[in-house]
Amino acid sequence: GIQVEQSPPDLILQEGANSTLRCNFSDSVNNLQWFHQNPWGQLINLFYIPSGTKQNGRLSATTVATERYSLLYISSSQTTDSGVYFCAVGRGNNRKLIWGLGTSLAVNP
Amino acid sequence: NAGVTQTPKFRILKIGQSMTLQCAQDMNHNYMYWYRQDPGMGLKLIYYSVGAGITDKGEVPNGYNVSRSTTEDFPLRLELAAPSQTSVYFCASSYPRRGGHETQYFGPGTRLLVL
Repeated sequence: GIQVEQSPPDLILQEGANSTLRCNFSDSVNNLQWFHQNPWGQLINLFYIPSGTKQNGRLSATTVATERYSLLYISSSQTTDSGVYFCAVGRGNNRKLIWGLGTSLAVNP
Repeated sequence: NAGVTQTPKFRILKIGQSMTLQCAQDMNHNYMYWYRQDPGMGLKLIYYSVGAGITDKGEVPNGYNVSRSTTEDFPLRLELAAPSQTSVYFCASSYPRRGGHETQYFGPGTRLLVL
């Protein structure tokens, strides 16, 4: 099956810093989503981005499908950005998403 | 809209007991999913459904059963609970788009402890 690797596993930032989170996947996919899990456990979808670039406020994501990676950019980080960021991928018309282990982000004031 | 709701929020079970985790969504989404999340791990798909009356297995279906009699509800049944089923369970739903790829919306989770 598809393998999903996220890096770095942990990240500590000062408020206002920028960061880049990476997601590598082992096979071609046509479904890639980024999620944020806040410290209370709630999961929120950030981007559906199987290819190309999208931006939403201070967050943006880029997926280079041919090279099998995706990047999530967080600019001007805030303490509310803390939590775990997950990348999840799928292929074909299959609704099954394969999840990475996540990047745990802590933003200090 | 309430979105995706799950009950209970927390439950302790004894080994061998059974229980049903409830999930409901009011967004008229066709697709619904059950995941489990073990500490420090990503989510693993247990079962999913593409519509009322249709369910299919995910990565880790053993020890669980589901049913989908309505569009709104997708309960997950644990029979003969085991300590290995201690986890946080998330329900999600999505709406089909052309190409079969949809944003998933998650419930708040049910924390289950089996002792």
